[in-house]
Amino acid sequence: DVKVTQSSRYLVKRTGEKVFLECVQDMDHENMFWYRQDPGLGLRLIYFSYDVKMKEKGDIPEGYSVSREKKERFSLILESASTNQTSMYLCASSANRDRAFWGDQPQHFGDGTRLSIL
Amino acid sequence: KQEVTQIPAALSVPEGENLVLNCSFTDSAIYNLQWFRQDPGKGLTSLLLIQSSQREQTSGRLNASLDKSSGRSTLYIAASQPGDSATYLCAAPGSGAGSYQLTFGKGTKLSVIP
Repeated sequence: DVKVTQSSRYLVKRTGEKVFLECVQDMDHENMFWYRQDPGLGLRLIYFSYDVKMKEKGDIPEGYSVSREKKERFSLILESASTNQTSMYLCASSANRDRAFWGDQPQHFGDGTRLSIL
Repeated sequence: KQEVTQIPAALSVPEGENLVLNCSFTDSAIYNLQWFRQDPGKGLTSLLLIQSSQREQTSGRLNASLDKSSGRSTLYIAASQPGDSATYLCAAPGSGAGSYQLTFGKGTKLSVIP
């Protein structure tokens, strides 16, 4: 089975701090994703990576950056945390069998990190 | 841009009933559609992925169908059990350059009453 591991289940940080959320997958997947999930808004894509050092912005990239130095690890960085970034953050990965279409394989999710910014 | 709608937002049924969850999408030029389950405070578990060349996909008591022409998918759960209680989400990719990006519905919260 695919295993996507997020480093923390719960995290509390202060406004202005630089925050790192880590995600590791063990299935050699090419694609990795970061989402946030908020009540009433559903899941929204923050960033997507289709290869080491490659990234694409999702719907809500403002205030975030990402790093993918190794294929199995995808990090989400809050450069200067703000209270409106309090949310549930979900990481996902998928294989990429068809280079013409990156979404042909199912996405597998981690258990999420519930981040509170005080 | 893809939009995904799930109706109803919540559903409560007695144990043993068969039920149908609905998902509609606006951009019908999709390659596939995926159904997920989410338990409270947890991540998403992939249930079924239906490729556009298929019309149905089955896993145990779950059966998902896809009708691209009408922009609809349904998830059928047979003989529901209390352990099926969760939020069910469907997700569809966009077409063309946005094909990697899944758009999620807001989910149907299912409660199966013993």
